[in-house]
Amino acid sequence: AQTVTQSQPEMSVQEAETVTLSCTYDTSESDYYLFWYKQPPSRQMILVIRQEAYKQQNATENRFSVNFQKAAKSFSLKISDSQLGDAAMYFCAYSESGGGADGLTFGKGTHLIIQP
Amino acid sequence: DGGITQSPKYLFRKEGQNVTLSCEQNLNHDAMYWYRQDPGQGLRLIYYSQIVNDFQKGDIAEGYSVSREKKESFPLTVTSAQKNPTAFYLCASSIRAGSSGNTIYFGEGSWLTVV
Repeated sequence: AQTVTQSQPEMSVQEAETVTLSCTYDTSESDYYLFWYKQPPSRQMILVIRQEAYKQQNATENRFSVNFQKAAKSFSLKISDSQLGDAAMYFCAYSESGGGADGLTFGKGTHLIIQP
Repeated sequence: DGGITQSPKYLFRKEGQNVTLSCEQNLNHDAMYWYRQDPGQGLRLIYYSQIVNDFQKGDIAEGYSVSREKKESFPLTVTSAQKNPTAFYLCASSIRAGSSGNTIYFGEGSWLTVV
């Protein structure tokens, strides 16, 4: 079974600074998808960014970017120019087929605190 | 607006009761999912459905049941057999099952508390 590990239960960063959230995963598959979801206090899960394993180029979405290291099975999220609205739980997730068949496997999350 | 609607937002269940959480989507998505979230935990998959009239057990299906009679609806029943049902429940959907590149989108969730 696939597992996703987020080793940082909580991270804190000053507003406008850069922070990196870590994620590692375990799989024997070669084709899969990785996601970062944000869960603010409202509890709704919001997609931040996704990465296809077959793409070597790291995904970016405005201030959010990933460092995907396939051989190391590592998928970290970098948030640049942190804003107060970035404060939330962040979940790393894995899917073999982009979420279509079996859903997602989630890590336990990292609580991100933004210090003004 | 297109989206996933869950109701009720808050639900209280007495011991021994069955309760049903509603999930409706107007995104024309084929696949739908139910996840459970406990405090300090990630999400765990309860059930998923790839097509109308078909559904599969996820990692923690015991004590739960679902139906998929319509494409847009995927209700979850928490039965009395579920011994620890207090949790936050999230419904989700994706455009197509078994197709690469699909992203899963979530509803706003429902809180269930046993009283």
